[in-house]
Amino acid sequence: GENVEQHPSTLSVQEGDSAVIKCTYSDSASNYFPWYKQELGKGPQLIIDIRSNVGEKKDQRIAVTLNKTAKHFSLHITETQPEDSAVYFCAASIRNNNDMRFGAGTRLTVKP
Amino acid sequence: ETGVTQSPTHLIKTRGQQVTLRCSSQSGHNTVSWYQQALGQGPQFIFQYYREEENGRGNFPPRFSGLQFPNYSSELNVNALELDDSALYLCASSRPETLVEQYFGPGTRLTVT
Repeated sequence: GENVEQHPSTLSVQEGDSAVIKCTYSDSASNYFPWYKQELGKGPQLIIDIRSNVGEKKDQRIAVTLNKTAKHFSLHITETQPEDSAVYFCAASIRNNNDMRFGAGTRLTVKP
Repeated sequence: ETGVTQSPTHLIKTRGQQVTLRCSSQSGHNTVSWYQQALGQGPQFIFQYYREEENGRGNFPPRFSGLQFPNYSSELNVNALELDDSALYLCASSRPETLVEQYFGPGTRLTVT
């Protein structure tokens, strides 16, 4: 089955700097790659997603890139703010969302 | 538009007991998926319900079961609770035209003692 690995497990940046989180997946049939932000005591919030027919997608300060050949995708956050501090999860879905596999998460801390 | 809601927020049970968790899907969403999130880990897929039937299941034993009702709300039932069942249980709903885009509720924190 699909296996998603996420790095780093913790990331600390200064406010205004960029943050990059990377994920790899194992099943070439995966075609949907969402990113979730989870704040303390809350459920994961979908922040951006990308499908296998697109190489890059951007939404304001957040961007995601996908390399299907290498089976990896990344989340880029520019001009980080303290409110970006949270745990971020990547995920991969095989064909549909019957079995979405999540990475172990990255705890991002943005220092003011 | 009402988001995904879950009840109860917290629950404490004893090993061997049974528990029922509830989820109301977001308005316009007819598919519900359940996940287990252990402390410090990513969510793990339990199962999905679509049109009141199970539509896929992860690597969880049969003592994890579910239901979906005509209004698309859903229940997760866990029998013979074990200590390792202690976790945050998340429900996610999605629209029929974009099944993969899942929107999560706040979760139910289950503690088994």
